[in-house]
Amino acid sequence: DGGITQSPKYLFRKEGQNVTLSCEQNLNHDAMYWYRQDPGQGLRLIYYSQIVNDFQKGDIAEGYSVSREKKESFPLTVTSAQKNPTAFYLCASSSQRTGKNIQYFGAGTRLSVL
Amino acid sequence: AQSVSQHNHHVILSEAASLELGCNYSYGGTVNLFWYVQYPGQHLQLLLKYFSGDPLVKGIKGFEAEFIKSKFSFNLRKPSVQWSDTAEYFCAVKNNAGNMLTFGGGTRLMVKP
Repeated sequence: DGGITQSPKYLFRKEGQNVTLSCEQNLNHDAMYWYRQDPGQGLRLIYYSQIVNDFQKGDIAEGYSVSREKKESFPLTVTSAQKNPTAFYLCASSSQRTGKNIQYFGAGTRLSVL
Repeated sequence: AQSVSQHNHHVILSEAASLELGCNYSYGGTVNLFWYVQYPGQHLQLLLKYFSGDPLVKGIKGFEAEFIKSKFSFNLRKPSVQWSDTAEYFCAVKNNAGNMLTFGGGTRLMVKP
């Protein structure tokens, strides 16, 4: 069945370690997004990609990196440069075709620092 | 840069009470407006949306929202809440210049049975 799959559901990071969060969609959506959710701050945009092999920084890109080698996949790497990585990370995708760009979300990955 | 404010961070209601959650945004141009809901342990889901036309929009589960352009507001309402409405609610705005959503800080609603 169609949707957005994020894995893992829970992830632990050690100091100085890079970790990668997976996001896969089978909705044939062109655009994909990564958000960070912190209590009381809503969702803040980390990176987005409107087309394969292209991506743009969002509001809080420092300490993160992404790639978009395939339309279906948009992995997010939380690097050691991200000093406060503990958060809930949400991936979303949207179709550009209707012009309405409604975003659909995955179930999220909760990242904690050991 | 546009911003979205949800002034109520936590709301506690009894079942059958009426609900209104505030959402104000700052952007002078044409906007698309959304309310998303996140039930405990579940995906963020679209509750309702406004693109154009009738400023009173109906969503799922008896929710509605009214776009008042002069007040830059898109408040969410429900006449009679149920325990199952316990969730976090997010208002979001997209301007016509791009695809990006700007989210408010969220309102955590607890409905007491």
